[in-house]
Amino acid sequence: EAQVTQNPRYLITVTGKKLTVTCSQNMNHEYMSWYRQDPGLGLRQIYYSMNVEVTDKGDVPEGYKVSRKEKRNFPLILESPSPNQTSLYFCASSLGRVYNSPLHFGNGTRLTVT
Amino acid sequence: GIQVEQSPPDLILQEGANSTLRCNFSDSVNNLQWFHQNPWGQLINLFYIPSGTKQNGRLSATTVATERYSLLYISSSQTTDSGVYFCAVERGGGYQKVTFGIGTKLQVIP
Repeated sequence: EAQVTQNPRYLITVTGKKLTVTCSQNMNHEYMSWYRQDPGLGLRQIYYSMNVEVTDKGDVPEGYKVSRKEKRNFPLILESPSPNQTSLYFCASSLGRVYNSPLHFGNGTRLTVT
Repeated sequence: GIQVEQSPPDLILQEGANSTLRCNFSDSVNNLQWFHQNPWGQLINLFYIPSGTKQNGRLSATTVATERYSLLYISSSQTTDSGVYFCAVERGGGYQKVTFGIGTKLQVIP
């Protein structure tokens, strides 16, 4: 089944403890991206990747890191999480603009930082 | 940056009613998509529609890129249509930065 898989679904952590949220897609998509969803703010893009080893900042990249070493994986890294990073996070992928391809989303990761 | 405004913010419908959701954007875009977030939080792509009109069952969408707006029509609404509807636009030369509106929350009551 074609899908975008995020893990974990729920995560509670403490301030300053490094964490990684994984994202994997099995559709051979070139484009992958991360978003956070907060009440009243919709979804905001954190980082995106056009292909392997090609990443760039979205609108809210502060406090986050990403890597794209393989086409299928695009982990989101919080080196020193803070309470203002408590949010619902989504990973998405697409074939890319040249293919007029829609975004496919994972099921989300709810992160709480205390 | 680009502004994306959706209206109305909230909508309550009786089952069977029709509705129109609107998305206005402040600058030219490469594409526009509509998504439905169901009550369990899943985001489902409804339409990829940079211009023109598309239909999928009871849903249809129209984007008038020159006037910078898109409309999502829901006909004969069902309780399963409840959730939040988002439009998202992509600007830039490639599939790059994506900006979402803050959504329209729809509740369909029996």
